[in-house]
Amino acid sequence: SYELTQPPSVSVSPGQTARITCSGDALPKKYAYWYQQKSGQAPVLVIYEDSKRPSGIPERFSGSSSGTMATLTISGAQVEDEADYYCYSTDSSGVFGGGTKLTVL
Amino acid sequence: EVQLVESGGGLVQPGGSLRLSCAASGFTFSSYEMNWVRQAPGKGLEWVSYISSSGSTIYYADSVKGRFTISRDNAKNSLYLQMNSLRAEDTAVYYCARDISLDPWGQGTLVTVSS
Repeated sequence: SYELTQPPSVSVSPGQTARITCSGDALPKKYAYWYQQKSGQAPVLVIYEDSKRPSGIPERFSGSSSGTMATLTISGAQVEDEADYYCYSTDSSGVFGGGTKLTVL
Repeated sequence: EVQLVESGGGLVQPGGSLRLSCAASGFTFSSYEMNWVRQAPGKGLEWVSYISSSGSTIYYADSVKGRFTISRDNAKNSLYLQMNSLRAEDTAVYYCARDISLDPWGQGTLVTVSS
C-alpha cells in the first residue's frame, strides 16, 4: 500500500490564501480527493478528481495536482473554514493523508 | 435528499462481534459503490472497506482483512459491516460513504471495544 503525507497544521489570517499539500508516489497516476471535517461533524467532500468542486462548495476552494503532489487552495480563507482537511486517493484500496489542521485567525 | 444513516454501534468486549448497518435513501442505492471509513478518537480518517454496486468486488484494509466482512442488500437499500474478533484498536466512529469519491458521508456510529 502507499502513503499520503500532509503537513500537520497550516495557519493563516482571514482573507489570506491557505495552501494544504498532499504528497504521494501514486498521485501521478491516481486522483486526489479532499475532505473538510469540522469539529464533531462528519467529513464533507470539497474537491474531487484533483480539481473539481462539488455543487454547494464555495468557489474559494480549488484543487490542483502536479507530479507527486496535490494541493488544496483556499483563496481568501474565512474563519468558518477552520477545520481538519484530509486528502484521499484510491486504487484497489483507499488511503487518507494524516490530516491538516487549518487555523484561520 | 441523499441520506446515509449508520446504526449498530456500541460497547463490545475484545474478541467480540458487532454488525453495523447503513441505511441509504434519496438515491438509487444499487447503482453506487459504497465504502466504510473509520476514525479513532482524536485521530485521522482510515479507509476500511469497499464494495462495488453489485457486491461482486470487495476490498479491505490490511488492518481488518480476515476479521471484517462488508456486504450489501440492494433490495433493502442497506450496507453492512460484520466485525468479528474485535480489538481495542478497532474503537472508532464508523462512517459509511457513497461512491469512489466518498460523497456524502453518514453521521457515523461509535464502536467501543473494551472490557
